[in-house]
Amino acid sequence: EDQVTQSPEALRLQEGESSSLNCSYTVSGLRGLFWYRQDPGKGPEFLFTLYSAGEEKEKERLKATLTKKESFLHITAPKPEDSATYLCAVLDYGQNFVFGPGTRLSVLP
Amino acid sequence: SAVISQKPSRDICQRGTSLTIQCQVDSQVTMMFWYRQQPGQSLTLIATANQGSEATYESGFVIDKFPISRPNLTFSTLTVSNMSPEDSSIYLCSVVPNTGELFFGEGSRLTVL
Repeated sequence: EDQVTQSPEALRLQEGESSSLNCSYTVSGLRGLFWYRQDPGKGPEFLFTLYSAGEEKEKERLKATLTKKESFLHITAPKPEDSATYLCAVLDYGQNFVFGPGTRLSVLP
Repeated sequence: SAVISQKPSRDICQRGTSLTIQCQVDSQVTMMFWYRQQPGQSLTLIATANQGSEATYESGFVIDKFPISRPNLTFSTLTVSNMSPEDSSIYLCSVVPNTGELFFGEGSRLTVL
């Protein structure tokens, strides 16, 4: 059975303090790994898709990386507006999306 | 990408009543999904709704409680029937367009009193 875990559960950073969020997965066959941002009361917003180990994607202060067992979302010099829950999901060859529990990020001014 | 509109965005309902949530997509998509997100939790798949066939429900979800319609390639509805306070959640419509990513609507926040 596919499983996705995320750590830490919650993270509090000062503005400008860089850090990383972790997504660990076990999947029968990985078709893709996805990162989403979710603001309170809203639907998840798509950020990145990673398809193979070694792949990296960047968008503004965010950079996602992928290995065979985990993915990291690196946040460089975060701002308060980066505060949100970040969700990781995997897609297997059976076309099943499995979501992790998320990491709640708070960036303090 | 895909632009997904959901109605209503939020509602407060009485126990025992039913509510239908609408999902409209700006392009034709084959695969459409309905998720539930309970307070403080991650996303749980309710069912997959493909046009022209019966919806496929995940374990723990049944058609009598969550009937789904998918009349065409841009529209779907999810009904939450005979509601109880345990049904209070955000209900999310999502689609997979040709790009292969999963996109979400803004969600429908349901509170059952």
